[in-house]
Amino acid sequence: DAGVIQSPRHEVTEMGQEVTLRCKPISGHDYLFWYRQTMMRGLELLIYFNNNVPIDDSGMPEDRFSAKMPNASFSTLKIQPSEPRDSAVYFCASSLTGQANYGYTFGSGTRLTVV
Amino acid sequence: KQEVTQIPAALSVPEGENLVLNCSFTDSAIYNLQWFRQDPGKGLTSLLLIQSSQREQTSGRLNASLDKSSGRSTLYIAASQPGDSATYLCAVKGYSTLTFGKGTMLLVSP
Repeated sequence: DAGVIQSPRHEVTEMGQEVTLRCKPISGHDYLFWYRQTMMRGLELLIYFNNNVPIDDSGMPEDRFSAKMPNASFSTLKIQPSEPRDSAVYFCASSLTGQANYGYTFGSGTRLTVV
Repeated sequence: KQEVTQIPAALSVPEGENLVLNCSFTDSAIYNLQWFRQDPGKGLTSLLLIQSSQREQTSGRLNASLDKSSGRSTLYIAASQPGDSATYLCAVKGYSTLTFGKGTMLLVSP
């Protein structure tokens, strides 16, 4: 398996523009997580899905953020409109069966810069 | 709410030293604890996973221990090498989600 695949690796956009980050989890994994990493706050959970259904989105900072998982092999995180404070590295991770003692596998991340 | 603390925040050692990284967590109701390595500008690489029922796990020069009742874990690195330089992150798994510490930035000088 190629692991968790995220695209793009880097994104530079102007304030006010829409940004869409993409993630392909490991095949067969039933949990998908979106994290954001900043120097100040470290890694923070934004939202997670189980079997394509959003379970907890309490970490999503504002209504400008939205996430979808239309099928088991694809998820998007959208920011509209983007702001400079959204600049961070966004990671996607997947896991097999959240209640069992399995670890997470992370993608390489998307480094977002909003200017 | 689970909180994970890692001490020290940064560590600089000469090559060859044995070292210990510390991680503490506030809620002992965890399923497992995972140690990750992150190189600058890169993603997270899983190093060791300790189940809640286990006391330690070993992989090569790395040994991680878990004392769930006291909310502590340590990552022991033997005979450190410059290639070990990276940020080490501790994460605990609750019902479904993983809560991270802010990491220990390690620099091993030749």
